[in-house]
Amino acid sequence: DTGVSQDPRHKITKRGQNVTFRCDPISEHNRLYWYRQTLGQGPEFLTYFQNEAQLEKSRLLSDRFSAERPKGSFSTLEIQRTEQGDSAMYLCASTSTLGEKLFFGSGTQLSVL
Amino acid sequence: SQQGEEDPQALSIQEGENATMNCSYKTSINNLQWYRQNSGRGLVHLILIRSNEREKHSGRLRVTLDTSKKSSSLLITASRAADTASYFCAMRDDKIIFGKGTRLHILP
Repeated sequence: DTGVSQDPRHKITKRGQNVTFRCDPISEHNRLYWYRQTLGQGPEFLTYFQNEAQLEKSRLLSDRFSAERPKGSFSTLEIQRTEQGDSAMYLCASTSTLGEKLFFGSGTQLSVL
Repeated sequence: SQQGEEDPQALSIQEGENATMNCSYKTSINNLQWYRQNSGRGLVHLILIRSNEREKHSGRLRVTLDTSKKSSSLLITASRAADTASYFCAMRDDKIIFGKGTRLHILP
């Protein structure tokens, strides 16, 4: 399968715990995006990378959220000290620099109890 | 960051009818894209229209773009039950930002 893969598919955690999600983009894609989506809403932009460089992080994102793409391939999204409001679907997508359409993974559904 | 506004938020039509969804945005764009999302799944790209284009077709899909009004529309002709999904417009200046979506329900 050469699509975008995300791991885990589901994560249940207790408030205050840290969680980390992984995204493996399509191999030749150098742009990688993270979005967050809650029920009935559109994907909310979190951050994106060009290779290993993080180009922008949403100003709405608290300092508890951090993302990395250390070798310009896979990416991780970490949420520290989770809160119930962090419960959402976290979506990863990739594209090439000049590419215009995003390829999405199936997402990681986070539930914070 | 800008976000598109889709209209209507929800739409129910009979199978075989045409469905029209609209998207408005606020700042300049390089292109505008439409995506579909089936319940609980990731988004799938449908069609892209560049800022210098006014209309584009792909199968049963027709997209228009009016940059002077900062708006786009997506028309799905001869709707089918399988078209039931949420539809999102996405604006690209450099990064790609999504609208809030239209939930389309096709009635048998």
